[in-house]
Amino acid sequence: GQQLNQSPQSMFIQEGEDVSMNCTSSSIFNTWLWYKQDPGEGPVLLIALYKAGELTSNGRLTAQFGITRKDSFLNISASIPSDVGIYFCAGQRIIQGAQKLVFGQGTRLTINP
Amino acid sequence: NAGVTQTPKFRILKIGQSMTLQCAQDMNHNYMYWYRQDPGMGLKLIYYSVGAGITDKGEVPNGYNVSRSTTEDFPLRLELAAPSQTSVYFCASSYLVSTDTQYFGPGTRLTVL
Repeated sequence: GQQLNQSPQSMFIQEGEDVSMNCTSSSIFNTWLWYKQDPGEGPVLLIALYKAGELTSNGRLTAQFGITRKDSFLNISASIPSDVGIYFCAGQRIIQGAQKLVFGQGTRLTINP
Repeated sequence: NAGVTQTPKFRILKIGQSMTLQCAQDMNHNYMYWYRQDPGMGLKLIYYSVGAGITDKGEVPNGYNVSRSTTEDFPLRLELAAPSQTSVYFCASSYLVSTDTQYFGPGTRLTVL
């Protein structure tokens, strides 16, 4: 089955640093989503992108929907300890009347205080 | 609202046993989804439902069955558990298909020995 190529797989940074991660696909998506997953919890939506070229911010988070519709990136500025977790990108298509999400492998973020 | 709830939180099964993973949502969402998450991987879609009485296969449906008799509930059934089904299972729901996003439950961690 298709999965998105998400990189990096893991990041170890100092508190206060900026973070950047991205996702690429061989096929087009109508929507790109970025989720965060804390240990023992389900994914929680951070940002949704609906149009090619769209740049959207949510507090310290900024994400962009690539112009080719085959990629997206997420930036986190001035990282804080609560940013620790696993970040997943997901591409969405509407197939047979339902949302179909394809997930990346995740980026595990660790922050040294 | 409780959102999406899942039971049990943890379960250990022996090979060949069967069990049902429960999922319920109180948001009156039409669309419900079951995913599995293997270690170090993103989520993969097992089954989904666009409304009561309507279900369809996702990317990895083998070894599973679902039913949707009510809007609120979407149980996932494992008939003959196999070690390959060791995973974390997430249920999700959404209201609209085009612009709404999926809300995830906390997950069920299943181990098959």
